[in-house]
Amino acid sequence: AQKVTQAQTEISVVEKEDVTLDCVYETRDTTYYLFWYKQPPSGELVFLIRRNSFDEQNEISGRYSWNFQKSTSSFNFTITASQVVDSAVYFCALSRGSGGGADGLTFGKGTHLIIQP
Amino acid sequence: EPEVTQTPSHQVTQMGQEVILRCVPISNHLYFYWYRQILGQKVEFLVSFYNNEISEKSEIFDDQFSVERPDGSNFTLKIRSTKLEDSAMYFCASSALSGLALNTGELFFGEGSRLTVL
Repeated sequence: AQKVTQAQTEISVVEKEDVTLDCVYETRDTTYYLFWYKQPPSGELVFLIRRNSFDEQNEISGRYSWNFQKSTSSFNFTITASQVVDSAVYFCALSRGSGGGADGLTFGKGTHLIIQP
Repeated sequence: EPEVTQTPSHQVTQMGQEVILRCVPISNHLYFYWYRQILGQKVEFLVSFYNNEISEKSEIFDDQFSVERPDGSNFTLKIRSTKLEDSAMYFCASSALSGLALNTGELFFGEGSRLTVL
């Protein structure tokens, strides 16, 4: 069975601080995909990144960066120089990759990030 | 930019009533999904649909639920007889096969339909 654990329920930081959101996953599949989604107060789910299990390169996109470590089954997300607009719930998710495009995502419980001005 | 659209944005219904939530996936996508999120909780997979049939479903997706693609554009979720615990945000999503075979492509989510069962 697959499982995604986001141990941090809520994080509150002051604007401009760096913040890291943790994600630990469990899967027996050798091929899988990891995702991060942002859910702002308006409620929609905004795709941030997808990473496949064969690609352990870290990725940076502006103020966002992701650290994928297969050895520790972690896919952590760092926001540098946080801004108030980053306030949202962030979900980490895991999908099987062997079954084609129809596989559902298993989501973590989410981390509520609060950026204080 | 293409997007997944969902209607209604909010529906209030009485327990025991039938509800149909509608979704228009992105036009060239092949895979369609429904997820739900009970207030304050995580997003849960309900069902995936490909080639006019269910590909995968979770244990949540029991006989009270059904999905349909009645025409070339809509994808619907029907709840036959709603229960209080069906109150949630329901998200539709769609994806296309990526250029690499067997990859799970990016999922595009709609803005959700909030269902309140009284």
